Amino acid sequence: RKEVEQDPGPFNVPEGATVAFNCTYSNSASQSFFWYRQDCRKEPKLLMSVYSSGNEDGRFTAQLNRASQYISLLIRDSKLSDSATYLCVVNMSQAGTALIFGKGTTLSVSS
Amino acid sequence: DAMVIQNPRYQVTQFGKPVTLSCSQTLNHNVMYWYQQKSSQAPKLLFHYYDKDFNNEADTPDNFQSRRPNTSFCFLDIRSPGLGDAAMYLCATSSGQQDPYEQYFGPGTRLTVT
Repeated sequence: RKEVEQDPGPFNVPEGATVAFNCTYSNSASQSFFWYRQDCRKEPKLLMSVYSSGNEDGRFTAQLNRASQYISLLIRDSKLSDSATYLCVVNMSQAGTALIFGKGTTLSVSS
Repeated sequence: DAMVIQNPRYQVTQFGKPVTLSCSQTLNHNVMYWYQQKSSQAPKLLFHYYDKDFNNEADTPDNFQSRRPNTSFCFLDIRSPGLGDAAMYLCATSSGQQDPYEQYFGPGTRLTVT
């Protein structure tokens, strides 16, 4: 079983749509969790950390379910500029030095 | 304002010709990482430094080496590049001291091997 799994997509949605991505991880001892955004041929950029209580940043909501070992990202009111690849990232170590990346889910928002 | 800087942004090298990629950071972070990312794949960690302590991933080929002469700089040396080493090489940093240990990436160096 792969350590971090994501549906690669692509997810093709119209502007204004709500879209959700899920990610599962295999190591129950995983310490912390993130969503990164990566634009084509650019570096990954931190979108948000994911906390056990769930967290929201504007149109973006992230949730963590440790019992089921999955993480979700919800994007409301999609914008054209949200088109990118979203990487689910899991930290396996207490020092934060063992980040495992999923392959990413591609989102395409059209007008 | 740049925090993690990578040079060059694009590098072309010949098969078997050694190449060095550089990374510098202004964040004063303890940890620096090198990742390799090929098209449509996840970034793959090659190694990292926690301060001066070098940590190599088990499956990183011996062809890849790294140096960290000081806190700000870290280098990736590819001793004999093969065609399969063509990829984006990403440098990242993290403080290593505070959960949740976000990593901050540089813009990457895209390596072409001819």
